[in-house]
Amino acid sequence: DAKTTQPPSMDCAEGRAANLPCNHSTISGNEYVYWYRQIHSQGPQYIIHGLKNNETNEMASLIITEDRKSSTLILPHATLRDTAVYYCIVSRFSSNTGKLIFGQGTTLQVKP
Amino acid sequence: NAGVTQTPKFQVLKTGQSMTLQCAQDMNHEYMSWYRQDPGMGLRLIHYSVGAGITDQGEVPNGYNVSRSTTEDFPLRLELAAPSQTSVYFCASSYSGQPANYGYTFGSGTRLTVV
Repeated sequence: DAKTTQPPSMDCAEGRAANLPCNHSTISGNEYVYWYRQIHSQGPQYIIHGLKNNETNEMASLIITEDRKSSTLILPHATLRDTAVYYCIVSRFSSNTGKLIFGQGTTLQVKP
Repeated sequence: NAGVTQTPKFQVLKTGQSMTLQCAQDMNHEYMSWYRQDPGMGLRLIHYSVGAGITDQGEVPNGYNVSRSTTEDFPLRLELAAPSQTSVYFCASSYSGQPANYGYTFGSGTRLTVV
């Protein structure tokens, strides 16, 4: 599975959009991009995933560049409850491997 | 649905003792995994399973054993606990094959201290 690079920390003002970048320059054609977050010491929570196209759900939007070497997770209107560690993961989860490897993630601090 | 249930939530062991961390899911998920998380660090994969009777090692399997006799349960066994195994352990499950629309579902964790 391809490795990812994320900034260790970011700040965002409450009510503004939070844009979290992720580099995955060695991604291969059958690898998906996944985003999870972990609030305080709770279990991680799935946010969104994508292969090529941009994706949107009730939590966030995922923008994947055309060459698929990087992506951005967008929280459109960040709240204090969005303060968490955000993990970008690239995995061939669609095969029979069934595993996700987490990196260090980005600590997002949403400030009033 | 209860989701992913981990027991116990907290445990203190003495060095050399053994114990089993329990994980159960009621979503008929085929994939299950165990992770450990040390203070200030990300999650590291210990073992995972793609179905009943099938298990494989993750990044940090030494000192841990797993079995998957049913779809629902995926226990993690520590045979000779060591202080280095002090950590928070998370169990997770997911549908198999194509990426699930909701990814992995994680349990609330077991906080283990080995003294």
